[in-house]
Amino acid sequence: QLVLTQSPSASASLGASVKLTCTLSSGHSSYAIAWHQQQPEKGPRYLMKVNSDGSHSKGDGIPDRFSGSSSGAERYLTISSLQSEDEADYYCQTWGTGPVFGGGTKLTVL
Amino acid sequence: EVQLVESGGGLIQPGGSLRVSCAASGFTVSTNYMSWVRQAPGKGLEWVSVIYSGGSTYYADSVKGRFTISRDNLKNTLYLQMNSLRAEDTAVYYCARDYVLGVWGQGTTVTVSS
Repeated sequence: QLVLTQSPSASASLGASVKLTCTLSSGHSSYAIAWHQQQPEKGPRYLMKVNSDGSHSKGDGIPDRFSGSSSGAERYLTISSLQSEDEADYYCQTWGTGPVFGGGTKLTVL
Repeated sequence: EVQLVESGGGLIQPGGSLRVSCAASGFTVSTNYMSWVRQAPGKGLEWVSVIYSGGSTYYADSVKGRFTISRDNLKNTLYLQMNSLRAEDTAVYYCARDYVLGVWGQGTTVTVSS
């Protein structure tokens, strides 16, 4: 079964960097995923697609501070130079018959 | 500009029906993989239904047999017909484009309550 696992929460200080992790279930380590950001009281926004080889392609207008990478079954979202507006929920997503979502990580900027 | 605009949400009694719409601009709905995704209050994102460019449709088990996804090529609009609504269907409903959900609408709120 295709499942994405995310830590429920993460925190980092203003101006620092943070790396969020999304883990693909066994047998699905070759899958690409997408990252989405949802700021408080807003709808989701597509950030980027991350391939199994670590390459990534970002959506329009996504700052350079956001980058993606991969290792095995793990897909990462790194946010550098954290700003207050980066405080949000971050969801990873892949696709089977339909979209499959991770549970989301709530990022707190201290 | 590529855009999706949802409409049609509201307050509906349990057992009732509602159709939500997603009007697209800047691209053609019928040539894209289109999804409905919902988010219950305080919860994460949940896939509801998809329609492929070829017309195949799929549903989450939680809505199968009750919800129907469709599209109107002339109006360039995606629809979700929701029947036999339950309290647990209360959510913000979003439409999105592509396998990576690269374009999202702003959402429309459906509240199922007596």
